[in-house]
Amino acid sequence: EDQVTQSPEALRLQEGESSSLNCSYTVSGLRGLFWYRQDPGKGPEFLFTLYSAGEEKEKERLKATLTKKESFLHITAPKPEDSATYLCAVQAKYNFNKFYFGSGTKLNVKP
Amino acid sequence: DTGVSQNPRHKITKRGQNVTFRCDPISEHNRLYWYRQTLGQGPEFLTYFQNEAQLEKSRLLSDRFSAERPKGSFSTLEIQRTEQGDSAMYLCASSDGLRSNEQFFGPGTRLTVL
Repeated sequence: EDQVTQSPEALRLQEGESSSLNCSYTVSGLRGLFWYRQDPGKGPEFLFTLYSAGEEKEKERLKATLTKKESFLHITAPKPEDSATYLCAVQAKYNFNKFYFGSGTKLNVKP
Repeated sequence: DTGVSQNPRHKITKRGQNVTFRCDPISEHNRLYWYRQTLGQGPEFLTYFQNEAQLEKSRLLSDRFSAERPKGSFSTLEIQRTEQGDSAMYLCASSDGLRSNEQFFGPGTRLTVL
């Protein structure tokens, strides 16, 4: 069964302290892996799509990477405004119609 | 067009009542998704429309749930005979199916069943 597991569940960082979030996935043929950011009380906001192992995408302090089994979201020198829940989702090649989300990592960046 | 809108934003109902939520996607988007999200969890897929056709429905979705997208524009999600376990945030997302498969999410409708 297709599955997405994110770790850690929660992460507290000091401003400027870089770290990485993990998304492990099991899917019968990956079509795409997606990262979203979700602020409290709001819908998720799209960050990146990764399609193949070795691919990397960057946006400001965020960098997403992909291997055949997992993806990492690297946060470099985070700021308090980066505090949010980061969600990972996968889409399978055999079924484009569904997206499977992980439970997310809640990031808290202290000034 | 400023994005995906959902109404109402909050709904409190008593167990056994029927509720209906509305989603207005971004106008040129032909793909529309409904998700359910409970506290501390990621969005759980419920159903998918391409234009007016409902092409996918989660096996977890009971017969009490139904969704429509008449004319391929707005969509409604109805829950009949609500139960306390239906309490959650219901999210709608739309996509044009191109550009990185990016989904644009609405703000959600928070349902509380008493």
